[in-house]
Amino acid sequence: AQSVTQLGSHVSVSEGALVLLRCNYSSSVPPYLFWYVQYPNQGLQLLLKYTSAATLVKGINGFEAEFKKSETSFHLTKPSAHMSDAAEYFCAVTASGGYQKVTFGIGTKLQVIP
Amino acid sequence: DARVTQTPRHKVTEMGQEVTMRCQPILGHNTVFWYRQTMMQGLELLAYFRNRAPLDDSGMPKDRFSAEMPDATLATLKIQPSEPRDSAVYFCASGEQPGPLHFGNGTRLTVT
Repeated sequence: AQSVTQLGSHVSVSEGALVLLRCNYSSSVPPYLFWYVQYPNQGLQLLLKYTSAATLVKGINGFEAEFKKSETSFHLTKPSAHMSDAAEYFCAVTASGGYQKVTFGIGTKLQVIP
Repeated sequence: DARVTQTPRHKVTEMGQEVTMRCQPILGHNTVFWYRQTMMQGLELLAYFRNRAPLDDSGMPKDRFSAEMPDATLATLKIQPSEPRDSAVYFCASGEQPGPLHFGNGTRLTVT
């Protein structure tokens, strides 16, 4: 069984401030973890993925996430928020190996204040 | 750029009518997922397929929903009969497991 918890359904940051979106996972086997972004009226797009290589993963648009096994976390960060980062962000988990369902968190809406 | 294509983008129908949503996955992808997104529940997994075979459809109300992949280029999700509570955005996604999923732009369903 696997699950994802995203803390904070809404997060507001000022333009230029640090973005931190939290994700904790639960998985009975080594996980693969993903962050996706969704803009209005669109499907989800992949931001970055962790697949058991480097624990610090860099993605598109300046985002990165660090896999911490001891904390079962995969938080998403960006040093400086841009207005175009306003969107909804989803953390997702799947089990490594084989064909497994992909479970998504509830999502976090990021608001960037000018 | 290869994309997942979903049709229709919008569908308004009356309660009791049949609704069919279609998805063209990216060629070569071996898994196809159907998700439903609502404000209250977020993204719910309805069904997924591997190499066109259904692996898990436990998220679907069996009495009214059905999902199929008649061939590698087409996945369908049907609701019969539709109910107002089925109003949501339905997403299809494909991928090469256990890699990332590629999502379509969704079908926004409104059942009145």
